[in-house]
Amino acid sequence: DQQVKQNSPSLSVQEGRISILNCDYTNSMFDYFLWYKKYPAEGPTFLISISSIKDKNEDGRFTVFLNKSAKHLSLHIVPSQPGDSAVYFCAASVDNNDMRFGAGTRLTVKP
Amino acid sequence: IAGITQAPTSQILAAGRRMTLRCTQDMRHNAMYWYRQDLGLGLRLIHYSNTAGTTGKGEVPDGYSVSRANTDDFPLTLASAVPSQTSVYFCASSETGGAGGELFFGEGSRLTVL
Repeated sequence: DQQVKQNSPSLSVQEGRISILNCDYTNSMFDYFLWYKKYPAEGPTFLISISSIKDKNEDGRFTVFLNKSAKHLSLHIVPSQPGDSAVYFCAASVDNNDMRFGAGTRLTVKP
Repeated sequence: IAGITQAPTSQILAAGRRMTLRCTQDMRHNAMYWYRQDLGLGLRLIHYSNTAGTTGKGEVPDGYSVSRANTDDFPLTLASAVPSQTSVYFCASSETGGAGGELFFGEGSRLTVL
């Protein structure tokens, strides 16, 4: 069963605009959420995280929002840059031994 | 550069053959993991190890085995490969297997089983 869902396989935005990537989860026990970024032929790399006690976490151009009641989180990238073009995976965990990943969203930022 | 090294990078394998994917980390992390990535399914955990000498089953363990003889190495073995095991395999590590914290991934091993 897919406990973490990214319903948009792809997203295309113009350079300088905001990119919003969405993620939904079903397991209310998840208490830690992460976003990973993956370039072709490379492994995923950690981008940003948020614990369930918060509803927002910022790191430079990247902000993650968590809505626990809706079991929804989103990643905002502003302003978007061509180098942000990659596949973004949402992940959720109770502990690292059972981290669940979404299917990924391919972001394309056009110059 | 510290990190995770996986080998081989790519392999084509006949069904029924045995295959071991190697993974070595130099970050002295306690926990290590094996994931497979399949289109439309994201990354799914195969096996994990919280510390040397211990292993556990993930979401999709069938057909795979692992061992953790020391902190640095975490090989994944397919005893008798089947075509459904065609995938990209990622090894990862984290400081602990507990709550929170990020995973550090290797660059992946692409396996094709014919």
